[in-house]
Amino acid sequence: QKEVEQNSGPLSVPEGAIASLNCTYSDRGSQSFFWYRQYSGKSPELIMFIYSNGDKEDGRFTAQLNKASQYVSLLIRDSQPSDSATYLCAVKKAPDMRFGAGTRLTVKP
Amino acid sequence: GAVVSQHPSWVICKSGTSVKIECRSLDFQATTMFWYRQFPKQSLMLMATSNEGSKATYEQGVEKDKFLINHASLTLSTLTVTSAHPEDSSFYICSARPSGNIREAQYFGPGTRLLVL
Repeated sequence: QKEVEQNSGPLSVPEGAIASLNCTYSDRGSQSFFWYRQYSGKSPELIMFIYSNGDKEDGRFTAQLNKASQYVSLLIRDSQPSDSATYLCAVKKAPDMRFGAGTRLTVKP
Repeated sequence: GAVVSQHPSWVICKSGTSVKIECRSLDFQATTMFWYRQFPKQSLMLMATSNEGSKATYEQGVEKDKFLINHASLTLSTLTVTSAHPEDSSFYICSARPSGNIREAQYFGPGTRLLVL
């Protein structure tokens, strides 16, 4: 079992829809959870982090964490074509951070 | 805040030459930096973890004598690809973890695209 698992996609949603990206992790002792966005040909950039169970909202992005289910998700509301990218889930149990392979999201105009 | 730079952004070299890539944390100190490689349409692959003042830890399958890492200060790590060959052509990305807060994220540099002819 991989330490951090994501559906590779591609996930395709129409413009204006909600995109839902999911991630599961294997280590129950994980402490911090991150979402990175990587545009084609670019390096990853941090877009969200969450430490506690529940939801965390930042603009159109909402991160959701359920430690009991070892599950973290990212919701993108009102998806835009500019959101088309690969989204990497990262899970940290200090000092190590493990990355998922990423989910490719395409938002169609 | 949390800006990481890399230099150069692009390098083209002849087979057999060595290439040095610099990674700097511009506005924070980083005890630990990481070097990744990414081939087209593939996932990030961690190559090594670099700790300031000590030897780097390499992932399985990464040749430490080929990919020399030096982390001489809290803001600078370098990766030297020695005797580069065409199969070393890739996108090399560093990331840095701010010292202190164990929950803190890693921040990535913009990457260095290496083409070995």
